[in-house]
Amino acid sequence: DVKVTQSSRYLVKRTGEKVFLECVQDMDHENMFWYRQDPGLGLRLIYFSYDVKMKEKGDIPEGYSVSREKKERFSLILESASTNQTSMYLCASSQGRETGELFFGEGSRLTVL
Amino acid sequence: AQSVTQLDSQVPVFEEAPVELRCNYSSSVSVYLFWYVQYPNQGLQLLLKYLSGSTLVESINGFEAEFNKSQTSFHLRKPSVHISDTAEYFCAVTSYSSASKIIFGSGTRLSIRP
Repeated sequence: DVKVTQSSRYLVKRTGEKVFLECVQDMDHENMFWYRQDPGLGLRLIYFSYDVKMKEKGDIPEGYSVSREKKERFSLILESASTNQTSMYLCASSQGRETGELFFGEGSRLTVL
Repeated sequence: AQSVTQLDSQVPVFEEAPVELRCNYSSSVSVYLFWYVQYPNQGLQLLLKYLSGSTLVESINGFEAEFNKSQTSFHLRKPSVHISDTAEYFCAVTSYSSASKIIFGSGTRLSIRP
């Protein structure tokens, strides 16, 4: 089975801190994604990557950056956390560009105080 | 650009009753359609998908969805729900030309009453 692992299930940070959310997938998938999930808004795409060292902005990239130095790892970075970034963050991966099926991690719930 | 509308944010039903979760999409090109399920405190997992062929697709746990191109809908149904179906359900769409970028609806929370 495909496994997508997010390093932290729960984090509490203070405003202005730099935050790293790590995601690793073990199925050699080409594509990796970071979504943000908020009640009533569903999932919104922050950034995605089709290949190592490649990244593309999603719908809400402001305040975030990403890094993909290795194929299996996709990191989301909050350079200076703010309270409006309190949310559930979901990492996902997929293979190829034909079927669009995503495999998700269990999520990282970030609280910014 | 595509978009997805889930008309109901919450759907309460009694156990063993039928349920329908509604999903409408908007797209100017041909699409792939998905339903994902999120059980409490877990990530999302694929429930079923429509890629091509038969417009009626089924999941292993009794859910089904029908692709209706004329009504741009992909409603999810189950004839008899169980307590274990309690979850949030997300409809999603992507296009043939951009199959890696999936757009999600806002979700429908299905709660089952005994």
